[in-house]
Amino acid sequence: QKEVEQDPGPLSVPEGAIVSLNCTYSNSAFQYFMWYRQYSRKGPELLMYTYSSGNKEDGRFTAQVDKSSKYISLFIRDSQPSDSATYLCAMSDYGGATNKLIFGTGTLLAVQP
Amino acid sequence: EADIYQTPRYLVIGTGKKITLECSQTMGHDKMYWYQQDPGMELHLIHYSYGVNSTEKGDLSSESTVSRIRTEHFPLTLESARPSHTSQYLCASSESRRESYTFGSGTRLTVV
Repeated sequence: QKEVEQDPGPLSVPEGAIVSLNCTYSNSAFQYFMWYRQYSRKGPELLMYTYSSGNKEDGRFTAQVDKSSKYISLFIRDSQPSDSATYLCAMSDYGGATNKLIFGTGTLLAVQP
Repeated sequence: EADIYQTPRYLVIGTGKKITLECSQTMGHDKMYWYQQDPGMELHLIHYSYGVNSTEKGDLSSESTVSRIRTEHFPLTLESARPSHTSQYLCASSESRRESYTFGSGTRLTVV
């Protein structure tokens, strides 16, 4: 079983829709959770960073962490064609047994104008 | 501007050739990483370094080698390229006490 599971998509939505991207994980020691956005032919770029459980909002993006369910989400409000990219979740227990970032497979999102 | 640079961006090379993928960062980060990324697959860590003269193999078995002689430079070398090495190679760095990574744009390698 993979440590991090992410629905690969592809996910296609109309412009203006609310997008929900999700990851589940098995390692209860993970405390640091990130979302990266990767445009075609580019490297991933950090989008959101959260520590432990709770919500974090940045503009149209909201990251949620539910450690009790081992489930994290990224919500995109008022989605735009420029949001079309692959979204990767990543997590770590830094300082613990893993001590490295573990990535999901990424979800390919297409926002149709 | 602080950044991380990878060269070349694209490379097509014949089987058996020796190649070096370059990675340099201007942020003074202690930690550097090499990942392999294939379509539909998660990023696999193949090498990492926590500082000068420190290198470790990652989770994915790789026939490549790395060196870290200078903080800013972390090249990856394949002594004898094979078609199975065809992939995208991503370099990343992070501050010693921070968790988020900064990635380069990647090198897409094709071995024919």
